[in-house]
Amino acid sequence: NAGVTQTPKFRILKIGQSMTLQCAQDMNHNYMYWYRQDPGMGLKLIYYSVGAGITDKGEVPNGYNVSRSTTEDFPLRLELAAPSQTSVYFCASSYSRGGDTEAFFGQGTRLTVV
Amino acid sequence: QKEVEQNSGPLSVPEGAIASLNCTYSDRVSQSFFWYRQYSGKSPELIMSIYSNGDKEDGRFTAQLNKASQYVSLLIRDSQPSDSATYLCAVPNQAGTALIFGKGTTLSVSS
Repeated sequence: NAGVTQTPKFRILKIGQSMTLQCAQDMNHNYMYWYRQDPGMGLKLIYYSVGAGITDKGEVPNGYNVSRSTTEDFPLRLELAAPSQTSVYFCASSYSRGGDTEAFFGQGTRLTVV
Repeated sequence: QKEVEQNSGPLSVPEGAIASLNCTYSDRVSQSFFWYRQYSGKSPELIMSIYSNGDKEDGRFTAQLNKASQYVSLLIRDSQPSDSATYLCAVPNQAGTALIFGKGTTLSVSS
């Protein structure tokens, strides 16, 4: 049972480069989320989606874009990487509304922008 | 914007002691509260959820909720070195569609 799968696990980007962080879940969850975690900090919500075709901004959306064309996939796009985007990125999913039920997290993507 | 406050620690306790972790939140409408555990370099995992005032026990873990005081706590009895981790408190956002996390409290249990 794979759960939430994120790729890649590690990535080094140069300033100004772009990349897409992939996230896929096989639990048929409608709700999906992207969080970032800086050292010593909690998780900050970047974007979330309540179903295919529906996305919304979280606490820290600037510099990121998302799309949700299928229930399974929720990629996160960085268009012009900046050092401030160095962080660990977690994708998560839940069966129902994020405030009501358990969120299952992927293993994370550690991104460094140099 | 909701705020979730936790003492970052580190909180150090000897093996077998009770560890007490605290969390306060800024609004009065939250109905759900969650505690996640995160080992170093790993992803968060849910250990407790609580929805009503009072205590909820699950094995060595007890969550306590006081909505009037906007306060939720996690007690870990008979602490073990394997409990050493960061504990994250989470509450729903204003729309109830995602979770807002505190910065986490790092617990260290010494043997």
